[in-house]
Amino acid sequence: DQQVKQNSPSLSVQEGRISILNCDYTNSMFDYFLWYKKYPAEGPTFLISISSIKDKNEDGRFTVFLNKSAKHLSLHIVPSQPGDSAVYFCAASGTGNQFYFGTGTSLTVIP
Amino acid sequence: DTAVSQTPKYLVTQMGNDKSIKCEQNLGHDTMYWYKQDSKKFLKIMFSYNNKELIINETVPNRFSPKSPDKAHLNLHINSLELGDSAVYFCASSQDISGEDTQYFGPGTRLTVL
Repeated sequence: DQQVKQNSPSLSVQEGRISILNCDYTNSMFDYFLWYKKYPAEGPTFLISISSIKDKNEDGRFTVFLNKSAKHLSLHIVPSQPGDSAVYFCAASGTGNQFYFGTGTSLTVIP
Repeated sequence: DTAVSQTPKYLVTQMGNDKSIKCEQNLGHDTMYWYKQDSKKFLKIMFSYNNKELIINETVPNRFSPKSPDKAHLNLHINSLELGDSAVYFCASSQDISGEDTQYFGPGTRLTVL
């Protein structure tokens, strides 16, 4: 049972435009959410996180939005750069330390 | 300096063999994990250790046995390898077990069972 879903396996965006990556979850007990970025042949690296007490968290070009009622979060990258091309994983956790990951969205930023 | 390292990076072996993957973290973290990323790219937790004690043991065949000789190491031993074990295995660590701590991942070990 997949509790965290990323329904878009891939996304292509022009350099300088906004990239929006989406993630949905089913478990209402999740209260902490993260985005990871993964380059080929490397492990995922932490990008940005958000707690359920917030609905927005911003870090430079990256902003994560959380809509608890819709059980939806999104990652906005503005402006997108070619170096942002990677696979982005959404993850969620509730009580305890178990994280549930989505299947990832492969972002390609076209120069 | 590599924060979380895994060896080997690639492992090709025959069905029925026994193999181990090693993981080390130099971050001083208390908690370490093993994840499996299958062919569908789904990243799923297998085990979690906190201060050398098993915390999470998801539904994983008992052919998989994690071993934590100390806080900085969590090795994964796999007996009687099967074709379905082919996947990328990621080790990770976090400061504690709070569930709100960032996990740092190793580069992954691509296991291919022939």
